[in-house]
Parts: sequence; structure tokens; C-alpha cells
Amino acid sequence: DVKVTQSSRYLVKRTGEKVFLECVQDMDHENMFWYRQDPGLGLRLIYFSYDVKMKEKGDIPEGYSVSREKKERFSLILESASTNQTSMYLCASSFPGGTGHYEQYFGPGTRLTVT
Amino acid sequence: GDSVTQMEGPVTLSEEAFLTINCTYTATGYPSLFWYVQYPGEGLQLLLKATKADDKGSNKGFEATYRKETTSFHLEKGSVQVSDSAVYFCALSDRGEDDKIIFGKGTRLHILP
Repeated sequence: DVKVTQSSRYLVKRTGEKVFLECVQDMDHENMFWYRQDPGLGLRLIYFSYDVKMKEKGDIPEGYSVSREKKERFSLILESASTNQTSMYLCASSFPGGTGHYEQYFGPGTRLTVT
Repeated sequence: GDSVTQMEGPVTLSEEAFLTINCTYTATGYPSLFWYVQYPGEGLQLLLKATKADDKGSNKGFEATYRKETTSFHLEKGSVQVSDSAVYFCALSDRGEDDKIIFGKGTRLHILP
């Protein structure tokens, strides 16, 4: 079974802190994604990566950065956390291919609260 | 651009009732279509998918048929259980170099015993 793990299920940080959210997948997937999930807004794509050391902005990249130094690990960084970044963060991975056939596999999510 | 529209929730049904969650899409190409489910406190998991017109995806008693003429992918189940209570997301992935998936906003389903 594909497994996507996230470093924390729950996290509480203070405004202005630097926050790292880690995601690891064990299926040798090239693609990795970070979303945030908010009530009434569904899932919104923050950043994604098609390969090691490469990254692409999603729909809402402001206030976030990412790092992909190894194929299996994709980190989301909040440089200076703000209260409007309180949310559920979901990581996902998938095979590449450009066919659209491949589903994404999700981690359990990290619920981040910024106070 | 591509988009997915699904019925707003919450949807509340009694156990053993028939379920339909409507989903329509807009896409420039020939997308693959998915239904994902999110149980309380968990991430999303794939429920079923269809990759071309007239395909029917099915899993755990749920079904959805890819209807190109109506650009729809409605989710159905003949007899729901309390354990089906979750949030359901319709999604599409268009062909091309981009492997992104576009999600609907989700429909929360409550099943009463």
C-alpha cells in the first residue's frame, strides 16, 4: 500500500514563528503536492513538485515556500506564521505521466493553529 | 479553466436510503474523473475513478458513470450505512503535462441510524 506520512497531526504555533511541515511518501512517486483545506473552500493547491529540487506555485503560494531535497520528502515552510494560515494542511503524491489517469495519494493531514 | 461543481451539503439521510451526490465538470480536454472520500480526522482517499466517457467506476457499493454528453459524474449508492458518513469530493485531472487534480468543494454526508 502507498503510504504518505506527515510529521504532525496537530500543531500549535505562535504568530511570526517559522513553521516546517514535513511529508514523506514511500512509493517512489515523482509528483508531490501541498494543499490547504478550509471549510467552504475545499482544497486549494499551495505548491507542487515534479522532481527533486524543482517546485511550481499552485493557486495560493503567498506566505509559503517549499523544499524537495530528496524524492520521498516534500516540506512546506511558513516563513512567518500568521493567524490566517490556521488550517488543515494535506500532502499528496502521485505518479507522473501526463495522462491524467493517476490518482493522488494523501497523508492524514496536519491541523495547524496559529495563535 | 477546468472546474468541478458538486452539490452543497450537508446531506442527511437515514440508514439504507438511496444516495445521489451530483457532480458536473468543465474541461477543455478529455479528463479523468474521480471521487475521493474523507472520513473524520483523516486525509482523502480515492473511492473510485473513470478515465473515459461511459466508463463506470465502482467501489464499496458506490458507483459513478462518466457522462460526456452531460459533463457529469454523479455518485450513487443504493443503501447507505452509518459508516458512510464522511465528506465526498468530486475531482478531475485533465490530460497533458500537468498532473494536477482539480477538486470540487466537497459534500458532507450524515447518515442517521
